[in-house]
Amino acid sequence: GDSVTQMEGPVTLSEEAFLTINCTYTATGYPSLFWYVQYPGEGLQLLLKATKADDKGSNKGFEATYRKETTSFHLEKGSVQVSDSAVYFCALYSSASKIIFGSGTRLSIRP
Amino acid sequence: NAGVTQTPKFHILKIGQSMTLQCTQDMNHNYMYWYRQDPGMGLKLIYYSVGAGITDKGEVPNGYNVSRSTTEDFPLRLELAAPSQTSVYFCASSYSERDYGYTFGSGTRLTVV
Repeated sequence: GDSVTQMEGPVTLSEEAFLTINCTYTATGYPSLFWYVQYPGEGLQLLLKATKADDKGSNKGFEATYRKETTSFHLEKGSVQVSDSAVYFCALYSSASKIIFGSGTRLSIRP
Repeated sequence: NAGVTQTPKFHILKIGQSMTLQCTQDMNHNYMYWYRQDPGMGLKLIYYSVGAGITDKGEVPNGYNVSRSTTEDFPLRLELAAPSQTSVYFCASSYSERDYGYTFGSGTRLTVV
């Protein structure tokens, strides 16, 4: 069945460092791909999305490119801030599975 | 613009008791979902609905029931609560799953003792 695998955390970085959180997927057909962010005590918020191969999703300085050849959707940000500390979830949608989520990566940014 | 509203935010339930978690959305979304999130884990789909009067099981439906009598409301019923149902429950809705993803509520933290 469909699945999402993302790098385990926690990830700790200094402010202004470059961020990469890896995400790979297994799916039949052409899924849509998402990144969600969860701040402490809150629900998940959609961060960015891509609905077809080679699409780049972007929001708040974060980017991810839908790579069908490597079945990946890695999240990147050029310069992280303390306010980016949260848990990040990679997810995919397929008509067979609805939206399924990775296990989440906790990110902590040091001032 | 309220979005997806869940009540209660916190609840402690005794083993064997029953309760209903409420979820309502004001965005006129046809698709609605219930997920549970266990500590350090991703989200598991419990039930979903593609419109009023239509519900279907997700990955982990045992011990739960749902109904969808209106577009706005999608309550989750726990019958005979068990400690394994201790979790954070999230309700979500969507206009178009493929194109827009989900809008989530802020969650209900449930403890069964």
